[in-house]
Amino acid sequence: GNSVTQMEGPVTLSEEAFLTINCTYTATGYPSLFWYVQYPGEGLQLLLKATKADDKGSNKGFEATYRKETTSFHLEKGSVQVSDSAVYFCALVGFQKLVFGTGTRLLVSP
Amino acid sequence: TAGITQAPTSQILAAGRSMTLRCTQDMRHNAMYWYRQDLGLGLRLIHYSNTAGTTGKGEVPDGYSVSRANTDDFPLTLASAVPSQTSVYFCASSDSNRNTEAFFGQGTRLTVV
Repeated sequence: GNSVTQMEGPVTLSEEAFLTINCTYTATGYPSLFWYVQYPGEGLQLLLKATKADDKGSNKGFEATYRKETTSFHLEKGSVQVSDSAVYFCALVGFQKLVFGTGTRLLVSP
Repeated sequence: TAGITQAPTSQILAAGRSMTLRCTQDMRHNAMYWYRQDLGLGLRLIHYSNTAGTTGKGEVPDGYSVSRANTDDFPLTLASAVPSQTSVYFCASSDSNRNTEAFFGQGTRLTVV
């Protein structure tokens, strides 16, 4: 079945550092891939998405590229801010099945 | 557009009591989901519905029931609450026929004492 694996956290960075959160997936067919963000005390919000191979999703300085050859969708940001501290979830949808990774907590210090 | 609405926002419930968590969406999505989130991290799927009139079990369905009488509403019922059901519950919906993203409610924080 479909599955998503993302790196365990917490990831602790200083402000303006470069961020990578790894995400790999297993799926049949051609799933759509997503990154969600959850700020403290809130629900999940869509951060970015990609619907086909080689697509790059981007939003708020974050980006991720749909790599079919490596079955990956790593999240990157060139310079993180304290306000980026949150939990990030990688997810996929394929054949009507919605699957989430376990989440990675990001802590950014000033 | 309201999107997806959950009620109540939070609740303290005595063990053994029943409770229904409400979820309503106005996006005409075919699919709806209930997740629980413990310790602020991983989501676990409780039940889902791919269309009105049908429901399915997720990975942690025991102690919970759902119904999908129409497209918009997907209530989650705890028949006899136990302390291990203390969690934050999220409802979500999506147009799963198009493989599009899911939209989440703001969550219900439930404490069973």
